[in-house]
Amino acid sequence: AQSVTQLDSQVPVFEEAPVELRCNYSSSVSVYLFWYVQYPNQGLQLLLKYLSGSTLVKGINGFEAEFNKSQTSFHLRKPSVHISDTAEYFCAVSDSRDDMRFGAGTRLTVKP
Amino acid sequence: ETGVTQSPTHLIKTRGQQVTLRCSSQSGHNTVSWYQQALGQGPQFIFQYYREEENGRGNFPPRFSGLQFPNYSSELNVNALELDDSALYLCATLDRGEQYFGPGTRLTVT
Repeated sequence: AQSVTQLDSQVPVFEEAPVELRCNYSSSVSVYLFWYVQYPNQGLQLLLKYLSGSTLVKGINGFEAEFNKSQTSFHLRKPSVHISDTAEYFCAVSDSRDDMRFGAGTRLTVKP
Repeated sequence: ETGVTQSPTHLIKTRGQQVTLRCSSQSGHNTVSWYQQALGQGPQFIFQYYREEENGRGNFPPRFSGLQFPNYSSELNVNALELDDSALYLCATLDRGEQYFGPGTRLTVT
């Protein structure tokens, strides 16, 4: 069975600074990996996904993530954050793209 | 805007009662999944329906049940509500390998 660990429950950062949100997964089979963002009182919005191919994946809002099979990681990065990036971020893994397992989430707070 | 809608947006129920939550997709995708997101946690997979039949289930008791209709709308039913059932319930439809989430229904059990 697959599982996801998000290593930081909260990440505070100043506006225009770079940020990395860490995600490690475990799975016995090939996986698909996802990052979602959730704004207060809203559902989940897909930021980016890795299905196959290039290990560097670019998503919306300037985010990118790198799939590292040897370290079983899929860390999310952004070179310069904005106040509007304040939200909850979830890493998810699936072995079939149907049944997703989510991490506990990382609360990103961008301060002015 | 994902085209996935859920109703109601908020709901308050008493312990022991039953509740029905609804989900629909403008695009009529034939696969729908339901998730429970407790406060401060990530979504947990409840089950998935494909063409009106349950197609996978997470670690939830049988009092969590579902239906999918010919128009691909879906219901989540929870019987004998417990306080720990208080959560945001999300549905997601699957289209070409990507899940599209609705805004969720916030259920509070008192």
